[in-house]
Amino acid sequence: DAMVIQNPRYQVTQFGKPVTLSCSQTLNHNVMYWYQQKSSQAPKLLFHYYDKDFNNEADTPDNFQSRRPNTSFCFLDIRSPGLGDAAMYLCATSREEGERNFGPGTRLLVL
Amino acid sequence: RKEVEQDPGPFNVPEGATVAFNCTYSNSASQSFFWYRQDCRKEPKLLMSVYSSGNEDGRFTAQLNRASQYISLLIRDSKLSDSATYLCVVGRSDSARQLTFGSGTQLTVLP
Repeated sequence: DAMVIQNPRYQVTQFGKPVTLSCSQTLNHNVMYWYQQKSSQAPKLLFHYYDKDFNNEADTPDNFQSRRPNTSFCFLDIRSPGLGDAAMYLCATSREEGERNFGPGTRLLVL
Repeated sequence: RKEVEQDPGPFNVPEGATVAFNCTYSNSASQSFFWYRQDCRKEPKLLMSVYSSGNEDGRFTAQLNRASQYISLLIRDSKLSDSATYLCVVGRSDSARQLTFGSGTQLTVLP
């Protein structure tokens, strides 16, 4: 089945220790997104790639970076995680401007 | 004022009840509207798009009121499996890639 895959599902890191979350898709969608969702809050868009074109949200901290080496893969790098970065990180895809297809998410814990 | 506002609930209803959620949005130029469902600790999944004329999918009915800038979701004959958080999602007028998620309304259907 075509899908969005995220690894790992759970990630524990130490305060200030860089961490990378990965996302892959078999849907061949041209748009990929990274969202941050904290408990009882709305998913918050961090950035998205439209094909190779990177689009950063204005309020996304510099601490968050992303890479998309090819159509299928996208990475979220958190350079120096703080306690406030503990959240669920959701990767999503869409074909052009269609519905979002979310991956299962990576739950990040910062110690 | 938030771009998308929802009553967080929780709504606790007995099985078989009819329940309705409302959502208001601030940008009068918004063009696309959706309801997503999110189970506990899982990713959001598209429940239904909301069209100007209103639309129905089985026990679920969505309505859009552009004049008052709100959308609604009606669930008839609620099932235990309907227990979830329902996210209202609004697309910006300048780019459907920019979806704004509400914080969600939590529904628990009781036996």
